[in-house]
Order: sequence, then C-alpha cells, then structure tokens
Amino acid sequence: GNSVTQMEGPVTLSEEAFLTINCTYTATGYPSLFWYVQYPGEGLQLLLKATKADDKGSNKGFEATYRKETTSFHLEKGSVQVSDSAVYFCALSDGAAGNKLTFGGGTRVLVKP
Amino acid sequence: EAQVTQNPRYLITVTGKKLTVTCSQNMNHEYMSWYRQDPGLGLRQIYYSMNVEVTDKGDVPEGYKVSRKEKRNFPLILESPSPNQTSLYFCASSWEGTDNSPLHFGNGTRLTVT
Repeated sequence: GNSVTQMEGPVTLSEEAFLTINCTYTATGYPSLFWYVQYPGEGLQLLLKATKADDKGSNKGFEATYRKETTSFHLEKGSVQVSDSAVYFCALSDGAAGNKLTFGGGTRVLVKP
Repeated sequence: EAQVTQNPRYLITVTGKKLTVTCSQNMNHEYMSWYRQDPGLGLRQIYYSMNVEVTDKGDVPEGYKVSRKEKRNFPLILESPSPNQTSLYFCASSWEGTDNSPLHFGNGTRLTVT
C-alpha cells in the first residue's frame, strides 16, 4: 500500500532561518504529492502540490520538488517567520476512487523570534 | 464565507453512548470525507461520499457510520463509542473526488471517550 514518511519534530528554528522538512513516499504508479499546513486550532490547508515528476510546487515562500528518482518531496523555505509555526503534513494521492489522501505523521515547526 | 463547519468542537462522552458529529459545507461541493488524526499517524480516511446518497469506506471505517441525504451535510455517527475512538476528527470537502480538486477542511472535533 501507499505510505508517506516525514521527519519527526518538533523542529525549532530562529526567525529568518532556513527550513527543510524531509518527506519520502511509497506508492504504485505516479501519485500527486501535497504539503498541507495546520495552524493551531484549525483544520488543514493546502500549501502546495505537484502532480508529476520534476514539478515544483510553491506558495508563500515555500517550495517542494517532486523527485521520482528518490521518491521524495522535501519542503523548503529560505527565511521563516514566527507566523510559519505550525504542523506540516506531507501527503499523496494515487488517483484511486475516493480521492483518499495518504498522510505522513506531521512535523511540528516552532519559529522563535 | 466559504467554509466547512463541524460541531461540536469538543466532546467528552462515555463508552457506548451514541453520538453524532455534524459537518456542513456551503460551497456546493460534490465530495465530502471524514478523517481522524492521531499522534504520529497523520490523518486516516474513515468514510467518503462522492455525491448525495453515495458513500463508501475509507481506511478505518470500523465503528463509524455516515449518511449523505443532502449535498451540504455529512454527519459522522458513532453508534457505540469506545475509548480507541478518542481522536481529533476532520471533515473535508471538494468540488469533485479527484486530486485536481483541493480539499477544504473543517476546524476539527476533539472527541474523548472514557
């Protein structure tokens, strides 16, 4: 079956530091890949996505590149802000019925001023 | 404002006492789904619905029921809750049930079963 593995947190950074969250996946075929963000007390929001190999998703200064050869979709941001403190989830969809997303365990990021 | 609304936000109950968590969306979405979130496991799909009167099981459907009598509502029913159903539950919706249509999530319902 499908699976997503992402680095465990928490990740604690200072403001303006560089952020990387690793994500690797196992899936049959060619899944679509997503990053979702969950701010405290809220539901998940789609941050970015990529639907085919070598695609780069980007949004709000975050980027992730779909690497089929390494089955990875690492999330990066060059200069984080306190407002980026949240839990980040990597996920995939293989297009099967039900639009089911397979999620990683989530990575909590804390940015200190 | 476009949103997915879940109620209640917090619920504490006892084993065996039937409960319903409501979910409503105002975006005229065809597709709706329920997930549970547990530490270290991410989110796992419980049930989904592609349209009115069409529902199907996700990965962890045991102990749950759903119904989709109207497009906007998709309640989650626990007929006889057990402590292993203590979790954070999210309802989500999208235009259609494909990965081209991003999911909109509610703010969650934290359920504790004692």
